[in-house]
Amino acid sequence: DAGVTQSPTHLIKTRGQQVTLRCSPKSGHDTVSWYQQALGQGPQFIFQYYEEEERQRGNFPDRFSGHQFPNYSSELNVNALLLGDSALYLCASSPGTSRATQYFGPGTRLTVL
Amino acid sequence: DQQVKQNSPSLSVQEGRISILNCDYTNSMFDYFLWYKKYPAEGPTFLISISSIKDKNEDGRFTVFLNKSAKHLSLHIVPSQPGDSAVYFCGGLTQGGSEKLVFGKGTKLTVNP
Repeated sequence: DAGVTQSPTHLIKTRGQQVTLRCSPKSGHDTVSWYQQALGQGPQFIFQYYEEEERQRGNFPDRFSGHQFPNYSSELNVNALLLGDSALYLCASSPGTSRATQYFGPGTRLTVL
Repeated sequence: DQQVKQNSPSLSVQEGRISILNCDYTNSMFDYFLWYKKYPAEGPTFLISISSIKDKNEDGRFTVFLNKSAKHLSLHIVPSQPGDSAVYFCGGLTQGGSEKLVFGKGTKLTVNP
């Protein structure tokens, strides 16, 4: 049983560009959450998708957007990249029940130059 | 405003001894807490959780204690093993079914053989 997978592993972009990160949830999970982990910090919640809709959102600007597909996989899009967007982006999946444990993928390391 | 605080960036213990990792929180709306550990180049892995209606939860070598009046929780690892060396994150969830996990900055545990 594959766990949560993310692609790509690493990515280098320049300021102003746009980026799309991808996540496939663990089998049987229908909820996907995205987190940003800057160096020396804990993961920060960006948003959560359930039934192809954004269910909750953290304190991130509209440059951060997402999508969930019918097969529950998800994308995170970031527009107009800033240097401060350099971070590890983590995807977590869970079943749709309340207080279900979130299982994390290995993350995508984004570097903005 | 940091709602979850892990004030010790690092902790070093001898193999076989007890590791105690501490976490303080300021948001009184948290009603569920989780501990994750993270190895380099991997995503966080769920360890143990505790509901605010309990003061202790145990799973093998891992025990989490919750002191609601002090807004403090701790993770005890007994006995500590070199494979436990990792960064440990404490996270909280608020009442009302929110699945937005709020993490601390983490504590790096090193268990020396």
